Amino acid sequence: QVQLVQSGTEVKKPGASVRVSCKTSGYTFSSYGISWVRQAPGQGPEWLGWISGYNGITDYAQKFQGRVTMTTDTSTSTAYLDLKNLTFDDTAVYYCARTYDSSASSPNDWGQGTLVTV
Amino acid sequence: QAVVTQPSSLSASPGASASLTCTLRSDVNVDTYRIYWYQQRPGSPPQYLLRYRSDSDKQQGSGVPGRFSGSKDLSANAGILVISGLQSEDEADYYCLIWHNSAWVFGGGTKLTVL
Repeated sequence: QVQLVQSGTEVKKPGASVRVSCKTSGYTFSSYGISWVRQAPGQGPEWLGWISGYNGITDYAQKFQGRVTMTTDTSTSTAYLDLKNLTFDDTAVYYCARTYDSSASSPNDWGQGTLVTV
Repeated sequence: QAVVTQPSSLSASPGASASLTCTLRSDVNVDTYRIYWYQQRPGSPPQYLLRYRSDSDKQQGSGVPGRFSGSKDLSANAGILVISGLQSEDEADYYCLIWHNSAWVFGGGTKLTVL
């Protein structure tokens, strides 16, 4: 079955960077995209952006442009989220999610989440 | 004003039906949007339920019971998630999602209490 397994909890200081990984299995990685979504404590989810599993094309939410980088490693079917210049407001659970199809479509199958505490 | 607004809470009785609303800002016409719905239980990621644009453009998530359905109230400029035959396990947070101005935008969520 489709699985997205994320890396573990991170604790960072303000100004630092964080990398979250998302290892996928159970489907053809290049046929879908990966969206990244975060959820601050007690808040609704917030979309950070999307990356194509086929060619690595990205589409970042305007709010995060310049601070976020999404990449993939097709040899291991793994997606990565890098977020730099962390502030206290970046404290949240970060999720990766497989999109409905190969485009920046709706997030359908979600990873378990990675807590990032700044 | 937020693009998408949801009431913060809703209570309903077991066996009854609940209608959860997702109201779009007045300059954003709900008639042209696909509304996506997610359920989130404490400590778990959101789970995709369904999407609804019209009766001819809708999709149920894999394994999602038919008692979850979508609709719209055009006069209120809102998407609606209807849950019929409420069960205790339906107690959760529910989020709507739209694609707006080249970005995915979530509502703030509704906490559904079944009591």
